Amino acid sequence: DQQVKQNSPSLSVQEGRISILNCDYTNSMFDYFLWYKKYPAEGPTFLISISSIKDKNEDGRFTVFLNKSAKHLSLHIVPSQPGDSAVYFCAASSKTSYDKVIFGPGTSLSVIP
Amino acid sequence: DGGITQSPKYLFRKEGQNVTLSCEQNLNHDAMYWYRQDPGQGLRLIYYSQIVNDFQKGDIAEGYSVSREKKESFPLTVTSAQKNPTAFYLCATNSGGFGEQFFGPGTRLTVL
Repeated sequence: DQQVKQNSPSLSVQEGRISILNCDYTNSMFDYFLWYKKYPAEGPTFLISISSIKDKNEDGRFTVFLNKSAKHLSLHIVPSQPGDSAVYFCAASSKTSYDKVIFGPGTSLSVIP
Repeated sequence: DGGITQSPKYLFRKEGQNVTLSCEQNLNHDAMYWYRQDPGQGLRLIYYSQIVNDFQKGDIAEGYSVSREKKESFPLTVTSAQKNPTAFYLCATNSGGFGEQFFGPGTRLTVL
């Protein structure tokens, strides 16, 4: 049973437009959420995170929104660039085990020039 | 130049053979992890270690073994008991912060 879900396996967006990647979770104990970006044949790299005490965190072109009541978070990329084309993983951890992170299945983003 | 090294990048083995994947880090991180990536399934945790000489099973530990004799090293052995070993294997570390992990470049294992 997946605790972290990314229901869109893939997404295509025009360069310059907004990319919105969605993530849902089922475990109400999760209180820290992360997004990772992964290029083919490479390891994931950390992108942005958010604590459950916040509902928004922004870092340059990347913003993560958290809706705790809906157990939903989203990653917004504005404006999207061709170099953003990658697989994006949503991940979550909880107070009881910050060192153990649960990953979603990933969404493959293609930004079309 | 700090980081995580995984070698080799590509590895081919015959069915029935054990194979050991290397992971070395010079980040001075206590926690180390092994994940497996399969298409459409994200990253699944195989084993993790929070301290030298101690490790715990992850969600899919069957058919794998690890050791943690040194802080810098966390090798993963894929045994012949692993029914479907062909996959992309990722090693990661954690500095002890809020779940942020640092990943190595990965090893693609193909069992023929």
